[in-house]
Amino acid sequence: DVKVTQSSRYLVKRTGEKVFLECVQDMDHENMFWYRQDPGLGLRLIYFSYDVKMKEKGDIPEGYSVSREKKERFSLILESASTNQTSMYLCASSFRDRGNQPQHFGDGTRLSIL
Amino acid sequence: QKEVEQDPGPLSVPEGAIVSLNCTYSNSAFQYFMWYRQYSRKGPELLMYTYSSGNKEDGRFTAQVDKSSKYISLFIRDSQPSDSATYLCAMTRTGQAGTALIFGKGTTLSVSS
Repeated sequence: DVKVTQSSRYLVKRTGEKVFLECVQDMDHENMFWYRQDPGLGLRLIYFSYDVKMKEKGDIPEGYSVSREKKERFSLILESASTNQTSMYLCASSFRDRGNQPQHFGDGTRLSIL
Repeated sequence: QKEVEQDPGPLSVPEGAIVSLNCTYSNSAFQYFMWYRQYSRKGPELLMYTYSSGNKEDGRFTAQVDKSSKYISLFIRDSQPSDSATYLCAMTRTGQAGTALIFGKGTTLSVSS
């Protein structure tokens, strides 16, 4: 079974802090994604990566950055956390080169910025 | 017009009922269609994955795609209380590297025993 593990289920941080969210997958997937999920807005793509050290902006990249130094790990960074970044953050991964492959998700990190 | 429309519900049915969940979309380039199930405080779990038009069945679940109408459906037969969750439709244009999914906002289903 595909396993996508997010380091924290719940996180509380203060405004202005630099926040790191970590995601690890064990299926040797090339693609990795970060989404946020908000009531009434659904899932929105923040950033994705299709290879080590490669990244592409999604629909809402402002205020975020990412790092992919190893194939299995994709980190989301909130440079200076703000209250409007309080949300559920979901990491996903998929194969790149085996036709279209569905994405598999972790259980999410519920982040509160106070 | 939003790319993917999904009725948020909530939808409440008795155990054993047949459930129909639907999404419409506007982009005729979408070719790959997925249904995810999301339990409270968990990540989305892939339920069904189809390519192009037609039906696909897996146990009590049937996914249907009608590309001419830009309409997809998920049918759940003999619904169970354990089916109570939010169901998300998702779709994508191609199989190219890094292609992101476009999600509906989800339909919340409650099955009562």
